[in-house]
Amino acid sequence: AQSVTQLDSHVSVSEGTPVLLRCNYSSSYSPSLFWYVQHPNKGLQLLLKYTSAATLVKGINGFEAEFKKSETSFHLTKPSAHMSDAAEYFCVVSDPYGGSQGNLIFGKGTKLSVKP
Amino acid sequence: NAGVTQTPKFRVLKTGQSMTLLCAQDMNHEYMYWYRQDPGMGLRLIHYSVGEGTTAKGEVPDGYNVSRLKKQNFLLGLESAAPSQTSVYFCASSYSGFTDTQYFGPGTRLTVL
Repeated sequence: AQSVTQLDSHVSVSEGTPVLLRCNYSSSYSPSLFWYVQHPNKGLQLLLKYTSAATLVKGINGFEAEFKKSETSFHLTKPSAHMSDAAEYFCVVSDPYGGSQGNLIFGKGTKLSVKP
Repeated sequence: NAGVTQTPKFRVLKTGQSMTLLCAQDMNHEYMYWYRQDPGMGLRLIHYSVGEGTTAKGEVPDGYNVSRLKKQNFLLGLESAAPSQTSVYFCASSYSGFTDTQYFGPGTRLTVL
């Protein structure tokens, strides 16, 4: 069965320092992987997605993620955090051959805090 | 272009009451989804629709019903609300299937007393 594990529930960084949000997945096939961001009291917005093209995926607002099949990871990074990056981030896996209802599994989220 | 809108934004119900949440999208998307978000749980899929007149169960469908009579609207109904249904509900839509980008509404915060 497919699953997503976000390794940190909360990450705190200082403004201007790098961001690393970790995500591991398990899937029975080559999955599609996403990162969504949710700002307080808002809906989710797509940051980036991997769908079996380039393994390094660039998203909006300077974020990027690298698909590593051997490590079953899809970590999200940004070279320099900005105060506006403070939000909750969700790693999501979609496995069309997973067989479960809906086939879209959300991680439990990582809350990113950015200190001035 | 409003994207995905949800009505209402907030609602308080008593146990046993019923209500309907409305989701509307103006992007001509085929797929629509209803999720619930609970603290520390991420989002869980309740029901979804692959086109007008169709609905299907997601991960947590019990206690909910849905209808998609018009392509742009997706309704979520609670026939007899329970405290366990206290949650934030999000609607989303996408042009094609689950691997396509989903566009989310702002959410409905529901409290069942």
